[in-house]
Amino acid sequence: DQQVKQNSPSLSVQEGRISILNCDYTNSMFDYFLWYKKYPAEGPTFLISISSIKDKNEDGRFTVFLNKSAKHLSLHIVPSQPGDSAVYFCAASAGSSNTGKLIFGQGTTLQVKP
Amino acid sequence: NAGVMQNPRHLVRRRGQEARLRCSPMKGHSHVYWYRQLPEEGLKFMVYLQKENIIDESGMPKERFSAEFPKEGPSILRIQQVVRGDSAAYFCASSPRKSLNQPQHFGDGTRLSIL
Repeated sequence: DQQVKQNSPSLSVQEGRISILNCDYTNSMFDYFLWYKKYPAEGPTFLISISSIKDKNEDGRFTVFLNKSAKHLSLHIVPSQPGDSAVYFCAASAGSSNTGKLIFGQGTTLQVKP
Repeated sequence: NAGVMQNPRHLVRRRGQEARLRCSPMKGHSHVYWYRQLPEEGLKFMVYLQKENIIDESGMPKERFSAEFPKEGPSILRIQQVVRGDSAAYFCASSPRKSLNQPQHFGDGTRLSIL
């Protein structure tokens, strides 16, 4: 049972344009959502997070949007840069579980072309 | 380097041997999580530990896998009698967990290969 889904395995964007990465979830108990970026042979690097009490969180070029009724979140990167090329993972946790364990999507490979 | 440290980075074992993976959390972090990533998949939760306690091991295989986080020293993920299917990247993450919603910070992983 895949509770967090990233349905696009890959995305290609031109440098300077907007990158939009999508993520869907099924568990209504999830109340904290995160995006991580991962380069080959490295661990995931935390990018940005959002609590379920908000619908938007912004940090520089990165903005995460949460639509709770649709159980959908997205990560917007603008403007996209070649250094943003990596695998992006969406993750979620349920505060009620009191463990903080993260449930990850399968990842989306972003390629930003110069 | 104040980040999460994992060693070794690469580990090769033959079937039936034991694998020990070590993780030192970030300074000030007392909560450790282990995740496994199989090829072409996302990370899967294995176990959550605090110092000297296993809090949640719901993602751990029932046999051959164990984890500890002693009072002194790193957290250890131990795999006994390894099989080919154990080949994966194993990531450790740590968190201060001063509140429920805090990001976990990951190490660079141990790539385990079983011959």
